[in-house]
Amino acid sequence: GPKVLQIPSHQIIDMGQMVTLNCDPVSNHLYFYWYKQILGQQMEFLVNFYNGKVMEKSKLFKDQFSVERPDGSYFTLKIQPTALEDSAVYFCASSPWDWGGYEQYFGPGTRLTVL
Amino acid sequence: GDSVTQTEGQVALSEEDFLTIHCNYSASGYPALFWYVQYPGEGPQFLFRASRDKEKGSSRGFEATYDKGTTSFHLRKASVQESDSAVYYCALGINNYAQGLTFGLGTRVSVFP
Repeated sequence: GPKVLQIPSHQIIDMGQMVTLNCDPVSNHLYFYWYKQILGQQMEFLVNFYNGKVMEKSKLFKDQFSVERPDGSYFTLKIQPTALEDSAVYFCASSPWDWGGYEQYFGPGTRLTVL
Repeated sequence: GDSVTQTEGQVALSEEDFLTIHCNYSASGYPALFWYVQYPGEGPQFLFRASRDKEKGSSRGFEATYDKGTTSFHLRKASVQESDSAVYYCALGINNYAQGLTFGLGTRVSVFP
């Protein structure tokens, strides 16, 4: 089936540094998402993105977070500066449709550890 | 806000056993309901969905029926195999636009030969 790729699979950084998580979504998909999962907790929606704009963001999407997809390349999540509580697995997802009842395709996740 | 509750955190079964994972939801709108499955080292994979009351979704021998009356979408499989060992997530999405999904905590299913 369609594949979403995420780079890197693991990232370890010091608190206060900047980190960029990269997502290569399915090629003909139009809607992109980031989710955060802390170990042992449920996966939580962060943000969705369409046509170059953030459409919706949750309260977890702090001011230190930003997303972009310049020129149809990677869909990125940038955290600047990072905090200890940002340690989690971040999943990227994409979807071809604007209907919330349509499935999202998830990448394998990036495990971020903030020291 | 919207929420999804999965009753079972972990389930241990033998091959050919019957599997049930209970999922109940609370939503302000009329949601679509999903089941996703996650294998080690991978992201959640779409299993199936249902978008309206009494609709049954199914895939790979798994099935669930949308029940608006009891706000439930329980996952069932008649005869599990060792390869069904994974984490299963119930999720809801609002039908009318591409909102993020709301996930349950997940149920870890371990099937032993």
